[in-house]
Amino acid sequence: AQKVTQAQTEISVVEKEDVTLDCVYETRDTTYYLFWYKQPPSGELVFLIRRNSFDEQNEISGRYSWNFQKSTSSFNFTITASQVVDSAVYFCALLPPGGGNKLTFGTGTQLKVEL
Amino acid sequence: DTAVSQTPKYLVTQMGNDKSIKCEQNLGHDTMYWYKQDSKKFLKIMFSYNNKELIINETVPNRFSPKSPDKAHLNLHINSLELGDSAVYFCASSWDRENRPGTDTQYFGPGTRLTVL
Repeated sequence: AQKVTQAQTEISVVEKEDVTLDCVYETRDTTYYLFWYKQPPSGELVFLIRRNSFDEQNEISGRYSWNFQKSTSSFNFTITASQVVDSAVYFCALLPPGGGNKLTFGTGTQLKVEL
Repeated sequence: DTAVSQTPKYLVTQMGNDKSIKCEQNLGHDTMYWYKQDSKKFLKIMFSYNNKELIINETVPNRFSPKSPDKAHLNLHINSLELGDSAVYFCASSWDRENRPGTDTQYFGPGTRLTVL
């Protein structure tokens, strides 16, 4: 069975602070895919990143970076120099191989960035 | 140029009524999904369709019936609405990775907030 754990329910930071959102997953598959989505207060779900299990290179996109560590089954997300517009719920998700494309989500982390 | 659209955005109705939510995608994808997000923000898949064929049905009550008239549309009809059906329902679409490896990212619609009174 697939499981995604986001232990941080809510994080509050002051603008310009760096913040890391944790994601730990469980799967018996050797090949799988990991995702992060952002849900701002307006409610839509915005795709941020997709990562294959066989690609452990970290990725940076502007102020966002992702640290994938297969040895600890973690796929953490760091926002550098946070801004108020980063305030949202962030979801980590796991997609197993095979058909159906059944995406399993974590419970989300509410990030509040204050002035 | 909206990629995945849903109507309506808000739906308020009485218990026992029947209602439908429509979803359309213009990304050319062959797979579409319905997800339910409860009051605690937990997201869970309900159905997935590939080229109009049901692939996933996650033990959703029979009162929920998805219908896919073509691969660009996936509608959700709910009969005899109950209080517990109140939630945000998201439609999503992607390519089936069997057909297009590496392109299985799911793109979501804006959501439909259903409130059952």
